[in-house]
Amino acid sequence: GENVEQHPSTLSVQEGDSAVIKCTYSDSASNYFPWYKQELGKRPQLIIDIRSNVGEKKDQRIAVTLNKTAKHFSLHITETQPEDSAVYFCAASVNTGFQKLVFGTGTRLLVSP
Amino acid sequence: GAVVSQHPSWVICKSGTSVKIECRSLDFQATTMFWYRQFPKQSLMLMATSNEGSKATYEQGVEKDKFLINHASLTLSTLTVTSAHPEDSSFYICSASGTSYNEQFFGPGTRLTVL
Repeated sequence: GENVEQHPSTLSVQEGDSAVIKCTYSDSASNYFPWYKQELGKRPQLIIDIRSNVGEKKDQRIAVTLNKTAKHFSLHITETQPEDSAVYFCAASVNTGFQKLVFGTGTRLLVSP
Repeated sequence: GAVVSQHPSWVICKSGTSVKIECRSLDFQATTMFWYRQFPKQSLMLMATSNEGSKATYEQGVEKDKFLINHASLTLSTLTVTSAHPEDSSFYICSASGTSYNEQFFGPGTRLTVL
């Protein structure tokens, strides 16, 4: 089955720096790759997603890149702010008759003022 | 955006009792709903997938007789944890999908504590 690996597990940056989180997946049939931000005790919030027919997508300070050949995708956050501090999860879709998601292990991002 | 509610937000129960958690899509019809469990500082683990009017599909290792799922309508799915034990204490989160584009909208979660 699909396996999603995520690195790093923790990431500490200074406010204003950039942060990059990387994920790899195993199922070449995966075609949807969302990124979620989860604050403590809260629901995961979709922040950006990308489908397999594009290589890059950007939304203000957040961007995602996808390399289908290498089966990896990355989240880029520029000009980080303290409120970006949270746990970030990547996910990859698996088509088993219905589209389910397999999540990465999460990255705890800490942005220091 | 699409809104998913979950009730209750937290529940404390005694070992051996059953607990029902409701998941509702408020402004869209959810053809598929997903139930996840999340232990502290861990990722979301899919427990089961339910489609309206059909039996749920459980992930490997999840006991279907212990975690009963009912997807009664296009806006409501319920998860019942039967004969709960302390090891079932966790954060249970549902999500709903109403399109063919894979996007899932998450509920706020239910924190279950079994004493």
